[in-house]
Amino acid sequence: AQKVTQAQTEISVVEKEDVTLDCVYETRDTTYYLFWYKQPPSGELVFLIRRNSFDEQNEISGRYSWNFQKSTSSFNFTITASQVVDSAVYFCALSEAGKAAGNKLTFGGGTRVLVKP
Amino acid sequence: DAGVIQSPRHEVTEMGQEVTLRCKPISGHDYLFWYRQTMMRGLELLIYFNNNVPIDDSGMPEDRFSAKMPNASFSTLKIQPSEPRDSAVYFCASSFWGNGYTFGSGTRLTVV
Repeated sequence: AQKVTQAQTEISVVEKEDVTLDCVYETRDTTYYLFWYKQPPSGELVFLIRRNSFDEQNEISGRYSWNFQKSTSSFNFTITASQVVDSAVYFCALSEAGKAAGNKLTFGGGTRVLVKP
Repeated sequence: DAGVIQSPRHEVTEMGQEVTLRCKPISGHDYLFWYRQTMMRGLELLIYFNNNVPIDDSGMPEDRFSAKMPNASFSTLKIQPSEPRDSAVYFCASSFWGNGYTFGSGTRLTVV
């Protein structure tokens, strides 16, 4: 069975500080996808990134960066120079890559990030 | 593209009433998923369809829940009879294998 653990339930930072969200996953599959979603106070789920298990390159998108380490089954997310608009709940998720799996997602419990001005 | 469209955005109903949630997936997507979000259980998959066929409904909590997808552009999730513990946000999502996974804005259901 797949499992995603986000050990941090809530993180509070002051604007312009960096914040790193941890994500640890468990799967027996050799091929899988990892995702991060943002859920702002308005409630929608906003896609941030999808990473294939074969691609261990770190990725940067503006102030966002992701560190994928297959050896430790972790896919951590860093927000650099945080802003108040980054305040949200962030979810890490895992899906099997085979078509039979249907890309169904297993979500972590989420980490609430509060950025104070 | 308008994205995944869910209706209604909010629904308040009395215990025992039938509730129907609706979803229009993104055109061309061949998978459709229904998720439920609660404080206690987080985000959990209820059921998903591939090419309009239900593939896995093991997440459907009880027989009171049913889902249909009569065509590629429409799906419903029905709860009959509804109970207060069904109060949650219900998300619909669609995807095309290997490319894209988009959620709707969700339906916030309150059963009183």
